[in-house]
Amino acid sequence: GDSVTQMEGPVTLSEEAFLTINCTYTATGYPSLFWYVQYPGEGLQLLLKATKADDKGSNKGFEATYRKETTSFHLEKGSVQVSDSAVYFCAPLGGGSNYKLTFGKGTLLTVNP
Amino acid sequence: GAGVSQSPSNKVTEKGKDVELRCDPISGHTALYWYRQSLGQGLEFLIYFQGNSAPDKSGLPSDRFSAERTGGSVSTLTIQRTQQEDSAVYLCASSLGPIQETQYFGPGTRLLVL
Repeated sequence: GDSVTQMEGPVTLSEEAFLTINCTYTATGYPSLFWYVQYPGEGLQLLLKATKADDKGSNKGFEATYRKETTSFHLEKGSVQVSDSAVYFCAPLGGGSNYKLTFGKGTLLTVNP
Repeated sequence: GAGVSQSPSNKVTEKGKDVELRCDPISGHTALYWYRQSLGQGLEFLIYFQGNSAPDKSGLPSDRFSAERTGGSVSTLTIQRTQQEDSAVYLCASSLGPIQETQYFGPGTRLLVL
């Protein structure tokens, strides 16, 4: 089945630092790729997505590019804020199962002022 | 518009009791999903509905777990004879259709089995 390897945290950064969270996936077929974010005490929110190779998803200053050749979907942000402190999940959808999200273990990001 | 809603937000129960968790999907979404989030297992898929049918129940951990969906809308996840290992956050999501469509999640129900 599909699987995801996500950069292990926790990641601690100072405000305005550059963020990269690595994500690689294994999937048959041609999955869509998602990043979800979970703020403390809340449910999962969609952060961004990409549905085909070389697409770039972006939202709230975050970006990720669908790299089919390296099966990767790394999350980046140029300047993080304290309010970005959360757990980030990478998830392919499709491939072996076109309706079942396969989540990575999540990366806890803490941004200090 | 309204998002996915779940109730209750928190549930504490005693081992051996039955619990029902409810999910109201986004209006017009035909597909509905249940996931479970626990410390040991991370986020795992439980079941998927297309309309009122459940083509994939493969993620349900045991026969104590069941789910139904009525009217193509509300879904109920039932756990019978709860065990301590059932303690987790149960997340519901819905999507416009089932095929690689974006899934929108509710806030979850936090279940604690004592």
